[in-house]
Parts: sequence; C-alpha cells; structure tokens
Amino acid sequence: DTAVSQTPKYLVTQMGNDKSIKCEQNLGHDTMYWYKQDSKKFLKIMFSYNNKELIINETVPNRFSPKSPDKAHLNLHINSLELGDSAVYFCAVQNRFRDYEQYFGPGTRLTVT
Amino acid sequence: GIQVEQSPPDLILQEGANSTLRCNFSDSVNNLQWFHQNPWGQLINLFYIPSGTKQNGRLSATTVATERYSLLYISSSQTTDSGVYFCALGSSNTGKLIFGQGTTLQVKP
Repeated sequence: DTAVSQTPKYLVTQMGNDKSIKCEQNLGHDTMYWYKQDSKKFLKIMFSYNNKELIINETVPNRFSPKSPDKAHLNLHINSLELGDSAVYFCAVQNRFRDYEQYFGPGTRLTVT
Repeated sequence: GIQVEQSPPDLILQEGANSTLRCNFSDSVNNLQWFHQNPWGQLINLFYIPSGTKQNGRLSATTVATERYSLLYISSSQTTDSGVYFCALGSSNTGKLIFGQGTTLQVKP
C-alpha cells in the first residue's frame, strides 16, 4: 500500500477554472503539508494541518484553500486558476514518532493553459 | 529566515565515480533530511539525519550540527542515481521543511 497518495497525478486545465487535488495517507500521523515545486525545481511550503486544524499558511493567495475532512486526508482546492499556478504540488506527512521527518506523495503536475 | 544552501548546483559523473554533495544551513537543526527526486519527479527519502553518520548501501550521510553542514556521499555511482538531490531543514517551531535549491546529478554510462 502506498503510504501517501495523491490524485490526480496530472491535471491540465484552463485559466479561470476551479480544481481540487486530493491527498490521502495511511500512516496514521496527525500532521500533513502541501508543498509547491516551481519550474526551477524550488520546493516551498504552502500549508500545514495538524489533526484537521490549520497550522501554517505561508502567504499563499486565498484562491488556495486546503480542506481536511479527517486526519487521513488533506485536499487542496484552487479557485480561479492562473498561469502562474502551474507547478508540481506535493502532499507530505510528518512522522510523529520521529520529530519532523516527512514523507512525500508522488506529486500532482498542474498545467494551466 | 533559515537559509539552506547546497553545492554544487550541477554535477556530471561517469558511472562508477564517487561524489560528495554539501548542504550548509543557517540555524540549529532538529530535523535534516536528504531526498532524491528521480527523473519521474518522485521525492524519495534518503536519510533522516539531524546529526551523526548513516549509511544505506552506496549512499552515506553525515551531519555536523555544531558546524551547520551536512554531506551526502555517493559511491560507485550508477545511471539510476541521476536526478536532483535536495537537502531540507526542519523548522523547530512548525516542523515545515525548508529546502535547498538542489544539486542536479547526471551519471553517464
């Protein structure tokens, strides 16, 4: 079983649309993250949730809204997509037994045309 | 804010060669991780190493927390080692990972 899964793997959409990316983990840990990797491969934190509660919001535009329906899921909803949102989005899970060690999902490549 | 710097930015090796990748960081470390991003984009955990030395097959890593650097050693490199290697430091307050800019490794047959 995959520890951290994301769907979809690829997402191509037009400017102005609204889309969601889903993340699920079966590790039983409490803290989950969203990271964005830009075209230059730079990885940066976007959000963190702990037990369904928002912990970190790194000055991400409010078009991006994370939602955590339960501890195993952290979804990312993006409104009014812009060209600059094109990137790879990674979900990650923190191992609560090993301070801050994180495991990453396979990523979702979002292309906005 | 916390700075994480990796060197070299790019590295080309012949298969079978050894290499050392370096990560310097500006803050005390609770968590330091090394990742390999393969050509398919997947981020693979290599080491969780806030201090000390660890080995896993042909790879090993050393973190000297007092001097704020970590090293990743790749021995007898193979073409499958190609990709981008990231060092990431965990924030002590929030746990978020702060990534370096990566080292792009190409291993030629």
